[in-house]
Amino acid sequence: GAGVSQSPSNKVTEKGKDVELRCDPISGHTALYWYRQSLGQGLEFLIYFQGNSAPDKSGLPSDRFSAERTGGSVSTLTIQRTQQEDSAVYLCASSSDGATNEKLFFGSGTQLSVL
Amino acid sequence: AQTVTQSQPEMSVQEAETVTLSCTYDTSENNYYLFWYKQPPSRQMILVIRQEAYKQQNATENRFSVNFQKAAKSFSLKISDSQLGDTAMYFCAFRGHNFNKFYFGSGTKLNVKP
Repeated sequence: GAGVSQSPSNKVTEKGKDVELRCDPISGHTALYWYRQSLGQGLEFLIYFQGNSAPDKSGLPSDRFSAERTGGSVSTLTIQRTQQEDSAVYLCASSSDGATNEKLFFGSGTQLSVL
Repeated sequence: AQTVTQSQPEMSVQEAETVTLSCTYDTSENNYYLFWYKQPPSRQMILVIRQEAYKQQNATENRFSVNFQKAAKSFSLKISDSQLGDTAMYFCAFRGHNFNKFYFGSGTKLNVKP
């Protein structure tokens, strides 16, 4: 695609429900990142995928968070039993630069609101 | 661990004037990359400028330039001839030997006033 696409743009859910956030990276990009942006905070690293290598999950805040990337393309971030502190903008980024990963291309994010 | 600090939560500048956004970082690494990203209201972050730590010359991209002070671990962004379209959040970011992670500051909200 022309850019990184994320869906939905906005998601409102009730505490305790599960949510799935989708990221469609730029075609051919091997690296894919998920970041979380809370109000007034910087971007918090969540998870990183690179090709067929095992993902770096070191940023996931709890076992309620998981992510997968199917076929080296689309990625889904799943949050189970959502809590109010999960409310944030979830940003996805991709990169074509393999080992150097210099330049990230970002999507417009998903604004998650947990009531 | 790497940390990136942006001490200016919000700044304002008149159109056509110059503004400087501050960023400091902490690392024990010698080779790394530094970035400034712009996040407009659309939320889509865009790379503004980047600097390789091994290069002494400051990077420039049109109206955007950096003042990179490696010893002081400082990486400020100067925007010349500010335009209304420059209104956005600006994030400073660091990437070291661990290619998996970019470390971001908390951002500076820049308002360009007509």
